[in-house]
Amino acid sequence: GESVGLHLPTLSVQEGDNSIINCAYSNSASDYFIWYKQESGKGPQFIIDIRSNMDKRQGQRVTVLLNKTVKHLSLQIAATQPGDSAVYFCAERFGNTPLVFGKGTRLSVIA
Amino acid sequence: DARVTQTPRDKVTEMGQEVTMRCQPILGHNTVFWYRQTMMQGLELLAYFRNRAPLDDSGMPKDRFSAEMPDATLATLKIQPSEPRDSAVYFCASGWGTGGRETQYFGPGTRLLVL
Repeated sequence: GESVGLHLPTLSVQEGDNSIINCAYSNSASDYFIWYKQESGKGPQFIIDIRSNMDKRQGQRVTVLLNKTVKHLSLQIAATQPGDSAVYFCAERFGNTPLVFGKGTRLSVIA
Repeated sequence: DARVTQTPRDKVTEMGQEVTMRCQPILGHNTVFWYRQTMMQGLELLAYFRNRAPLDDSGMPKDRFSAEMPDATLATLKIQPSEPRDSAVYFCASGWGTGGRETQYFGPGTRLLVL
């Protein structure tokens, strides 16, 4: 029979454009957030993190924005490249508890 | 370039057989996590250790799964007996910290297929 799996949201962007991947987190008390990138056949790879006392943090070509009022996290990728094609996960944590991962968003870069 | 290693990378076995997956965390890391990833459920936390002590294994089916850290350089996840529904990719991740703020670094995963 037909297999049913997670329906991941997919974002398709043109090479060179900026990408914005969004994440709604669940726990208003979460104080630490991470974005991971997972390429096909590989484990999740750390991209960038942010603590709840910040609302913006920048890395190399990536920026994470945190809006605690609406429990929203976003990852911005500048000048998206084919190598950015992957599934992106946000994760949240409160205190000493383990990370809680979102379901992921698939980014597809069109060359 | 320090990284988490996992063995085997792929495992095909028959239902009822024992499966052992191994993980070598990054040297110096004191926290080790086991995750399972499937199309249906996404990434699920099975168990984790800090300083080799199990902190939480509530995500693991207790009757057939067991996780141990014989020493600081080795973590194991065993399934006995294995079932087809255990087919998934199993990831190990390690980190360093005391207050839960450590970044987790993932291994390449063990792809398990139980026939």
